[in-house]
Amino acid sequence: EVQLLESGGGLVQPGGSLRLSCAASGFTFSSYAMSWVRQAPGKGLEWVSAISGSGGSTYYADSVKGRFTISRDNSKNTLYLQMNSLRAEDTAVYYCAKDALYVPSIAAAGNWFDPWGQGTLVTVSS
Amino acid sequence: EIVMTQSPATLSVSPGERATLSCRASQSVSSNLAWYQQKPGQAPRLLIYGASTRATGIPARFSGSGSGTEFTLTISSLQSEDFAVYYCQQYNNWPRTFGGGTKVEIK
Repeated sequence: EVQLLESGGGLVQPGGSLRLSCAASGFTFSSYAMSWVRQAPGKGLEWVSAISGSGGSTYYADSVKGRFTISRDNSKNTLYLQMNSLRAEDTAVYYCAKDALYVPSIAAAGNWFDPWGQGTLVTVSS
Repeated sequence: EIVMTQSPATLSVSPGERATLSCRASQSVSSNLAWYQQKPGQAPRLLIYGASTRATGIPARFSGSGSGTEFTLTISSLQSEDFAVYYCQQYNNWPRTFGGGTKVEIK
């Protein structure tokens, strides 16, 4: 069974940093692209960032470009999101999500998310 | 960026009735569209991909249709466990984008 378990959320002051982790199991982690998707309280879903299976390709939403960095350690089956210069509008539940299909390149966006982790809450407030 | 627009924002339906949810893309996404269900306090769950293919374990009362810019999710006979928020998502272009969601509530 595929499992994704996020951790690292918490309360941080504006301008601060936080690193989220997502521990994966039940599949060949290095073969699949992974993403972070967030959901502000009471709001909809927003894709944040994606990384290829090898880690060689990354994509970011404009809202986080230059502040967030996605990475992965395939030897530890773990996905990361380093979040710097945090703002109040970054407050959200952050989900990690696995691309459903193996593809050799994520240059074409064509893949959906399945499954999702349970999420970790990040609150940016003074 | 492709903008996904869902309607209505809220749909009030009685158990056993049919629910029809719409999703429109600002430009063609071919059939590269997925639907997710989210219940309070839970992560989203994949229902449909490729605009019309049910994911593993999804009941046959859920069906998807459409291509290009217009898509529909139909729940043929609402069960109590189907009251939730539903999101469409395009994966034709980066960034992958979601609609704002449709909340299906009990009438």
